[in-house]
Amino acid sequence: GQQVMQIPQYQHVQEGEDFTTYCNSSTTLSNIQWYKQRPGGHPVFLIQLVKSGEVKKQKRLTFQFGEAKKNSSLHITATQTTDVGTYFCASGYGNKLVFGAGTILRVKS
Amino acid sequence: DAGITQSPRHKVTETGTPVTLRCHQTENHRYMYWYRQDPGHGLRLIHYSYGVKDTDKGEVSDGYSVSRSKTEDFLLTLESATSSQTSVYFCAISERQGSTDTQYFGPGTRLTVL
Repeated sequence: GQQVMQIPQYQHVQEGEDFTTYCNSSTTLSNIQWYKQRPGGHPVFLIQLVKSGEVKKQKRLTFQFGEAKKNSSLHITATQTTDVGTYFCASGYGNKLVFGAGTILRVKS
Repeated sequence: DAGITQSPRHKVTETGTPVTLRCHQTENHRYMYWYRQDPGHGLRLIHYSYGVKDTDKGEVSDGYSVSRSKTEDFLLTLESATSSQTSVYFCAISERQGSTDTQYFGPGTRLTVL
């Protein structure tokens, strides 16, 4: 079945440093969604990308979808303590989603 | 938060006992999902529903059953709980916003099977 691999599993950064998480698939994806889960919370939808090479920004967050639609990345510029949590990518097929394992981000202040 | 509640929020049970988790939504969404979340595995789909009495299996459905007798309620049952089913369970609904099918999650149920 469809799978998405997400790296790294865990990253610990100093506040103000940048952070990137990557999502990769061996097959072409129709779309990619990104979710954030705060510690103790539930996943919250951030954004969806559908076009080859698409780039979207939300304040300090930049999302990219690869030209071949087999990979995606989420980049956070100048991390803040409010960015802590787990970031998931997910690929949609039909009305279902397949999630990556997530990247846990910790920020040292 | 799409009006999704889950009950109970925490449960501790013993191996071999039946357990039912409830997901309730207030906004008449057609699609509902049950996921489990475990460290290193992300969110894995257990079962989902596309209407009253219409359900289908996800990738980790063994040991679980579901029922949906009303649009607003989606029940997940562990007929005979095992320690491997210790996990955090999330319910979700799917909502179309423009060209996007976005999933909204409930607060989760932390289940411990001793």
